[in-house]
Amino acid sequence: ETGVTQTPRHLVMGMTNKKSLKCEQHLGHNAMYWYKQSAKKPLELMFVYNFKEQTENNSVPSRFSPECPNSSHLFLHLHTLQPEDSALYLCASSQEGQGNPYEQYFGPGTRLTVT
Amino acid sequence: KNQVEQSPQSLIILEGKNCTLQCNYTVSPFSNLRWYKQDTGRGPVSLTIMTFSENTKSNGRYTATLDADTKQSSLHITASQLSDSASYICVVNWVDSSYKLIFGSGTRLLVRP
Repeated sequence: ETGVTQTPRHLVMGMTNKKSLKCEQHLGHNAMYWYKQSAKKPLELMFVYNFKEQTENNSVPSRFSPECPNSSHLFLHLHTLQPEDSALYLCASSQEGQGNPYEQYFGPGTRLTVT
Repeated sequence: KNQVEQSPQSLIILEGKNCTLQCNYTVSPFSNLRWYKQDTGRGPVSLTIMTFSENTKSNGRYTATLDADTKQSSLHITASQLSDSASYICVVNWVDSSYKLIFGSGTRLLVRP
């Protein structure tokens, strides 16, 4: 275990549903990330939160809405998704500051299927 | 354009054999290069991180090399085990941000008994 947990591990949802993915890190880190991993494609960074503030939004469609209530928890709210949004969604955390590089620790991911 | 390319896309080897995975990158400026192992259905786990001044770094049976001049890296796996079956992902970090990572598509390794 890496100290980063994600729930649920699997999710099937229709295009009109609303669901949320949850991530929790137990490492005392100050930065958290959402990534999307589609089949046979590189990981794509979606959002970055540093000290609970969103510092990066990589042109992600508005049907994905992140929330970071504190430095240990990160949510990804989903609504009116498309079938092409089916992917493995990974959460990661790291301790950012001086002295790069800092490792990113990944959770096990949520396998999302949009029907 | 900043890119990370890995080869081969997939590889099958027999248990106990050695193998080498390749990574070429065009990322500039460059801060560090990372190799991750990703088991099927799991998140990536870091194997090594090398800065531009490091030529080699080992983690057990895994040895990564870096040539910053030619922008090439390799991951050598010695005496492979069935548990080495996974995807191996090369990741390059831009120098301007510790979280700006460029991911390769990975090499899928299958170790057969």
